[in-house]
Amino acid sequence: DAGVTQSPTHLIKTRGQHVTLRCSPISGHKSVSWYQQVLGQGPQFIFQYYEKEERGRGNFPDRFSARQFPNYSSELNVNALLLGDSALYLCASSPSGDYNQPQHFGDGTRLSIL
Amino acid sequence: AQKVTQAQTEISVVEKEDVTLDCVYETRDTTYYLFWYKQPPSGELVFLIRRNSFDEQNEISGRYSWNFQKSTSSFNFTITASQVVDSAVYFCALGLTGGGNKLTFGTGTQLKVEL
Repeated sequence: DAGVTQSPTHLIKTRGQHVTLRCSPISGHKSVSWYQQVLGQGPQFIFQYYEKEERGRGNFPDRFSARQFPNYSSELNVNALLLGDSALYLCASSPSGDYNQPQHFGDGTRLSIL
Repeated sequence: AQKVTQAQTEISVVEKEDVTLDCVYETRDTTYYLFWYKQPPSGELVFLIRRNSFDEQNEISGRYSWNFQKSTSSFNFTITASQVVDSAVYFCALGLTGGGNKLTFGTGTQLKVEL
């Protein structure tokens, strides 16, 4: 079975632009979460969606938004990009959206802001 | 507020040595979950173990073992007879109940296993 897939793998943007990152969960998984991992740090929680509804939001500005589609895939959008948004963006999926089953992570999208 | 501390930034060992990665957590909740993930250079986080706060039994899985002690708020991870393939960044994470499955990660420990 395919794991969590994220696209694109790498992306280079300039300040002020916007970006859309995509995630396809493991088949049968209804929950998708997004994390930002700055170099040398642990991942920071951004959003969780379950059954197309937002279930949690981390401490990120309104420039960050996300949504989940009927097929449970998800997009993360970031507007007005800043240099500090340069990071690895990780997507994770799980069947039920709680802690009873572990989250499985994708390889991430590496975003560089120039 | 919750917090996870991994004080060891980087550890280097020679193959076949045993190594312990430390994890200390902070939370006021009585029900919580603890996790360990491995991150190889490819970037993907690989799930290793989940433990809930009511289960203090230590666990062994092959060369891996985990020591959970609520009295010291620690959840340490030991690799026995380390191998070069164990080289990666290891993250400890905390999850609190109350809806969702948000994880709070530590800053990670870079483990380098050399021949």
